[in-house]
Amino acid sequence: QVHLQESGPGLVKPSQTLSLTCTVSGGSITSGGYYWSWIRQHPGKGLEWIGHIYHSGSTYHNASLKSRLTISADTSKNQFSLKLSSVAAADTAVYYCARGTRGQVAANWYYVMDVWGQGTTVTVSS
Amino acid sequence: EIVLTQSPGTLSLSPGERATLSCRASQSVSSSYLAWYQHKPGQAPRLLIYGASSRATGIPDRFSGSGSGTDFTLTISRLEPEDFAVYYCQQYGSSLGEFTFGPGTKVDI
Repeated sequence: QVHLQESGPGLVKPSQTLSLTCTVSGGSITSGGYYWSWIRQHPGKGLEWIGHIYHSGSTYHNASLKSRLTISADTSKNQFSLKLSSVAAADTAVYYCARGTRGQVAANWYYVMDVWGQGTTVTVSS
Repeated sequence: EIVLTQSPGTLSLSPGERATLSCRASQSVSSSYLAWYQHKPGQAPRLLIYGASSRATGIPDRFSGSGSGTDFTLTISRLEPEDFAVYYCQQYGSSLGEFTFGPGTKVDI
């Protein structure tokens, strides 16, 4: 059974870079058909997709964050990471990592996040 | 960019009642790209429905999804105490490979 666990600082100063890592156990991030995602939830708000990285290394980013965002993977450690630069209070959120799955139903492709980490709270404050 | 709107914002019901949650897209969405998640405070979100109407592994059959085009529905036939949570619809945008979530519907007692 695949398990994901986020790790990283809970407090980041404004203008600095937020760095989080997601450690995957019970499965390999190089397995085909999966992508590895970051999602966040601002306090009292809904879910916001941040971006993801495919097993091939291709990345996709939320356009609103693209200029500040880097998503990468370390296959030797079975981890993937998020770096968000120049953070501000608006980046305070619970950050989740998740496994994305692509599959077919009735010959049509679907794309979902089917395994999630528990989330980690990041506060941006001086 | 496709925007998802969910209604109502909050649904106040009792155990045993039927819940009907709506998700409307700003433009037509392929049914295969529409999913629903359940999210409880302090927990990881859980995938309920994919492809608009297919239940994810382990999801009870009291949960069902339907719809097409711009209008999608999640129905919980008989609410159990553990079903009180926030529910999000999500769509995948194939042109840019992006995901969009709706603002959520809170189902509470």
